[in-house]
Amino acid sequence: SQQGEEDPQALSIQEGENATMNCSYKTSINNLQWYRQNSGRGLVHLILIRSNEREKHSGRLRVTLDTSKKSSSLLITASRAADTASYFCATDGIYGNKLVFGAGTILRVKS
Amino acid sequence: GAVVSQHPSWVICKSGTSVKIECRSLDFQATTMFWYRQFPKQSLMLMATSNEGSKATYEQGVEKDKFLINHASLTLSTLTVTSAHPEDSSFYICSARDHWLAGGPSTDTQYFGPGTRLTVL
Repeated sequence: SQQGEEDPQALSIQEGENATMNCSYKTSINNLQWYRQNSGRGLVHLILIRSNEREKHSGRLRVTLDTSKKSSSLLITASRAADTASYFCATDGIYGNKLVFGAGTILRVKS
Repeated sequence: GAVVSQHPSWVICKSGTSVKIECRSLDFQATTMFWYRQFPKQSLMLMATSNEGSKATYEQGVEKDKFLINHASLTLSTLTVTSAHPEDSSFYICSARDHWLAGGPSTDTQYFGPGTRLTVL
């Protein structure tokens, strides 16, 4: 069963604004990953943050992880129309060898 | 590097027929591959974990006799949807984990295929 929940479910912003998406999970994890999916396409791996890390950056992406609250956030700065996509968090649990995906956030960046 | 391909990218079939979907890791060896299903506007749901040379592990609620998985080599896993029905219409995505630690992608990262759109009439 899915353990990740994401909010908001949908987010619409203007180009140039920042977009923040949140993810919560229920069990202990080895790492948490963020993926992007354009409509009808496969997933693109964006960033991985391990359970002993608190923050990670990659280009315009910033991910935070709070294991005490079992939550993570993805910040996309200076958004572009091309960032329009669905974004999913996925947790890699300590007992399993599989990813569990959150419900996803649909991001629309208007130009 | 770390490319995963799927074939076909889309398929339309008649109800009652079987459909085979291939998942290949092109530039790395994958001892473990995963099969997911995604319904429109929903997230990915793991169907099964496929281990090279052994039986697949299915998630609860997934019929193993309906969704046959074979992982015959370190670069190929296949999913066969047997006796497909319209409710099986979905987007099927595979992913693969790299076997080797040194000099290759992290084993923490799964690499996803582009997906296969199955439509059962």
